[in-house]
Amino acid sequence: QVQLQESGPGLVKPSETLSLTCAVSGYSISSGYYWGWIRQPPGKGLEWIGSIYHSGSTYYNPSLKSRVTISVDTSKNQFSLKLSSVTAADTAVYYCARHLRRWLQSPFDYWGQGTLVTVSS
Amino acid sequence: QSVLTQPPSVSAAPGQKVTISCSGSSSNIGNNYVSWYQQLPGTAPKLLIYDNNKRPSGIPDRFSGSKSGTSATLGITGLQTGDEADYYCGTWDSSLSAVVVFGGGTKLTVL
Repeated sequence: QVQLQESGPGLVKPSETLSLTCAVSGYSISSGYYWGWIRQPPGKGLEWIGSIYHSGSTYYNPSLKSRVTISVDTSKNQFSLKLSSVTAADTAVYYCARHLRRWLQSPFDYWGQGTLVTVSS
Repeated sequence: QSVLTQPPSVSAAPGQKVTISCSGSSSNIGNNYVSWYQQLPGTAPKLLIYDNNKRPSGIPDRFSGSKSGTSATLGITGLQTGDEADYYCGTWDSSLSAVVVFGGGTKLTVL
């Protein structure tokens, strides 16, 4: 059973960098598939942030691309998200998830439980 | 403003049937597979339907999906109180800004 678990600070100051990690168990990231980050502001809908392939190839939402970096560490079986210059608008529950198939256009079948990140001084 | 348009809310009585629509364009729904997610209060989204009408293992056949042109529909029959949740459609948008896109979500109330 594939399991994903997000971790990282729950509070980030404005203008700083949000950093989250997603630990994967039950499946080796290096075996394939795309892995993604999705966020959900309180009371609002889902927004795709970006995804990464096990090889390190990344794809980002153009609306966030200038501030986002997603990386993968296959030795630790985890992938990470960095979002720079955060503002209150970046306050959201951040989910990590796996794409259903080995192509970027496929939906997300396994999700982490999500972690709330609040941007506030 | 979401790329995919869903009704904010729908409601129906237990045992009844409900449908949730998702409207898009040729750059997203019209030329790509649609998926549907169920988000129970306080939990992560769960994949309900993929490839327009396929159900992952463990999803009951009370849930169904269809697509026609640039619109998709999620159907739920035999409504249960446990079906009260937010439902999101999702797909790939293959415009210049190639992205994963979601609908704004529909709140299902089982009266």
